[in-house]
Amino acid sequence: NAGVTQTPKFQVLKTGQSMTLQCAQDMNHEYMSWYRQDPGMGLRLIHYSVGAGITDQGEVPNGYNVSRSTTEDFPLRLLSAAPSQTSVYFCASRRVGGNEQFFGPGTRLTVL
Amino acid sequence: QKEVEQDPGPLSVPEGAIVSLNCTYSNSAFQYFMWYRQYSRKGPELLMYTYSSGNKEDGRFTAQVDKSSKYISLFIRDSQPSDSATYLCAMSRAIQGAQKLVFGQGTRLTINP
Repeated sequence: NAGVTQTPKFQVLKTGQSMTLQCAQDMNHEYMSWYRQDPGMGLRLIHYSVGAGITDQGEVPNGYNVSRSTTEDFPLRLLSAAPSQTSVYFCASRRVGGNEQFFGPGTRLTVL
Repeated sequence: QKEVEQDPGPLSVPEGAIVSLNCTYSNSAFQYFMWYRQYSRKGPELLMYTYSSGNKEDGRFTAQVDKSSKYISLFIRDSQPSDSATYLCAMSRAIQGAQKLVFGQGTRLTINP
């Protein structure tokens, strides 16, 4: 079991560039989510999905898009990167009715 | 007002000390209470999980929930340098059949040898 995997581990972008952060899980979890973690702000929910074809916005969705075509994958797209999106991004998964959330190792993103 | 409040620290204690980490919350609908541990440059991992008020012990760790005061604590006995990490409290409530998790800000803890 690989758990939750994320790629890339590190990324540097220029303002205005777009990119996709990849997330995959092999635990057959229905619920997947994306968080960003900034100093002094804790974990903030960006988008989440309760199953394939279903996504919804979290606390800080602006500037990000998601899609969920399969149970395993939940990519996060930055449409036009801004310096305010410099952060560490974590993908997580769990059962819909469960409380134990499994996190990926994170992607450190810097936008110049 | 945030639903979950946690002192970000940092907290620095000598090896062997008893550590107390705390969170308060405002929503009485929270049913499940968790503590996650996050080592530097890693993702958070679930450390302890409780449902009801009272204490739950796991080795050197004790999680305490006081629903009447809306206050949860994590105690670490005989603290070790390997316990140095950021500790995040989390709590969940049911919304439309799913559990909504809310995280505290995290407390950065350093255990000094």
